[in-house]
Amino acid sequence: QLQLQESGPGLVKSSETLSLTCTVSGGSIGRTIYYWGWIRQPPGKGLQWIGSVYYDGTTYYNPSLKTRVTVSVDTSKNQFSLKLISVTAADTAVYYCARLEMDRINAFDIWGQGTMVTVSS
Amino acid sequence: QSVLTQPPSASGTPGQRVTISCSGSSSNIENNYVYWYHQLPGTAPKLLIYRNNQRPSGVPDRFSGSKSGTSASLAISGLRSEDEADYYCAAWDDSLSSRVFGGGTKLTVL
Repeated sequence: QLQLQESGPGLVKSSETLSLTCTVSGGSIGRTIYYWGWIRQPPGKGLQWIGSVYYDGTTYYNPSLKTRVTVSVDTSKNQFSLKLISVTAADTAVYYCARLEMDRINAFDIWGQGTMVTVSS
Repeated sequence: QSVLTQPPSASGTPGQRVTISCSGSSSNIENNYVYWYHQLPGTAPKLLIYRNNQRPSGVPDRFSGSKSGTSASLAISGLRSEDEADYYCAAWDDSLSSRVFGGGTKLTVL
């Protein structure tokens, strides 16, 4: 059964770079019908799509975050990653990685448990 | 301010049927598929409905989705206490070139 697990620092200083990795287990990140994405949820608020990546490195980003975000994939490690530069308190959130099934469902159908990232001043 | 508008709260009693609305525009709901997720406290969202009205395997047929014009709805029949959760609608927005979510609706089972 496919599982996703986020990892990375839970505390990042303001103006620095947030870096997270999602490890995919129980299946290959290289299957052609899947994209892989990041979604975040500030405390007590709703969901925000950050960006998605294909196994070949093709990326799509939320335009509101595009200037600060990089999502990349490492097929040899079955991982994909998120980098968000110049963070502020507004970037404090639970960050989820998820599989985006593009064949029949076209939605995030499997999610990681999420990891809380706090931006401190 | 979310691109998709949902009521912040909804409620019902066990066994009742409740609906949650999601209002958008021609750049998202009207011309693209709508998805619904639910989220229990402290857990990751789970896909409930895809492509407007399709249920992933394992999702009970008590959950149903519909769409008309620029609005969509999630209906839950035979309400159970375990349905108490936050519910989010989602869609692709052509103008923003972005996946967008509603602000979420907190469902309380009285």
